[in-house]
Amino acid sequence: EPEVTQTPSHQVTQMGQEVILRCVPISNHLYFYWYRQILGQKVEFLVSFYNNEISEKSEIFDDQFSVERPDGSNFTLKIRSTKLEDSAMYFCASRTGLAGGPDTQYFGPGTRLTVL
Amino acid sequence: LAKTTQPISMDSYEGQEVNITCSHNNIATNDYITWYQQFPSQGPRFIIQGYKTKVTNEVASLFIPADRKSSTLSLPRVSLSDTAVYYCLVSRDTGRRALTFGSGTRLQVQP
Repeated sequence: EPEVTQTPSHQVTQMGQEVILRCVPISNHLYFYWYRQILGQKVEFLVSFYNNEISEKSEIFDDQFSVERPDGSNFTLKIRSTKLEDSAMYFCASRTGLAGGPDTQYFGPGTRLTVL
Repeated sequence: LAKTTQPISMDSYEGQEVNITCSHNNIATNDYITWYQQFPSQGPRFIIQGYKTKVTNEVASLFIPADRKSSTLSLPRVSLSDTAVYYCLVSRDTGRRALTFGSGTRLQVQP
């Protein structure tokens, strides 16, 4: 069964450093998402991406965040200058984008980001 | 999107059937009901999705009454490995697709 993969599984960084989290969505999917979950809290939407541009973003997704699809398979989330409060699990998700009816988002296993 | 309300936690024993009910009083015509499962430090895993009546797959059943203001996820004969948080979400089939997760129901299965 196809699945979303994410690397690395755990990233430790110093405050102020840049990090790039990587995702490989399911191959025939057209819509891509990033969510995050701070320990003990809810899963929160960050951004959605379609046709090489952001289609929607939350208030969390400020200028420190950016997303990119550098090639035909990878989807990345960059945090330019990490803060302590960026420590969280980051989940990538994708969906097919077929027209009509419901469309399910499939999540990756997540990257645990720890900012020291 | 319609707000969802589900129990904070539930306890069960191995081999029992578990039913988790979610209320979504303000569900709109275009909304579907989707359930996800999440284990600690893992991504949410899609379980089942439906619009009305009953949907069944190899993992669970989803019961949705005619007014669609609630739904019930039914897990037959749970095992210890079903211990997880279960989320009920209401999602549109068009437009905004970002999923809004609540706090979910923490299911604890005892031996």
